[in-house]
Amino acid sequence: NFMLTQPHSVSESPGKTVTISCTRSSGNIASNYVQWYQQRPGSSPTTVIYEDHHRPSGVPDRFSGSIDISSNSASLTISGLKTEDEADYYCQSYDGRGVFGGGTKLTVL
Amino acid sequence: QVQLVESGGGVVQPGGSLRLSCAASGFTFSTFGMHWVRQAPGKGLEWVAVISYDGSNKYYADSLKGRFTISRDNSKNTLYLQMNSLRAEDTAVYYCGKDTGITMLRGAFDYWGQGTLVTVSS
Repeated sequence: NFMLTQPHSVSESPGKTVTISCTRSSGNIASNYVQWYQQRPGSSPTTVIYEDHHRPSGVPDRFSGSIDISSNSASLTISGLKTEDEADYYCQSYDGRGVFGGGTKLTVL
Repeated sequence: QVQLVESGGGVVQPGGSLRLSCAASGFTFSTFGMHWVRQAPGKGLEWVAVISYDGSNKYYADSLKGRFTISRDNSKNTLYLQMNSLRAEDTAVYYCGKDTGITMLRGAFDYWGQGTLVTVSS
């Protein structure tokens, strides 16, 4: 089975843009959908991106997802950062077994 | 609106059993696959198991070694997780999640429940 590797933490200022990467260890990143989940402290996860780039209703278009085959990675980009975006973000994929990345703590300061 | 409500968590001794439930509403439960995911205290998310819309296909994390069983009752709009031979390392919040695929598994979650805490301790 493959692994998904994320940076442990990232930080950026309000109003700026941040990108969180998720690198697949083996197999093609495009072979299976990639999702991104947001988890604020003390709360359950919520979906911000599913099936590589789709946003659930209610998720602002400041959140976008993409796939880069050349680096075998997926990315979550959040533009116009707000303090409420501060949370843990997890990437996830599935090939008959679910796989989560280790999570990235986003600090907006 | 879609709602997923887990229940059945609690404190159990090592070696004991517990059955979790996830009551679903706001969508046609019988046409979507469902997942269980857990999160140990202070740790990341760990995928546990998935069941297809009709219950005919079930897949588990290798680490569970046959101790857990996922099932569903479409007449009751409810998902279950039977957990046996529980260990201290099974202590976690357990979440259910709805798959995005209609009558097929896509392995993507669009909705999550609020979670139920399982504590394995003597």
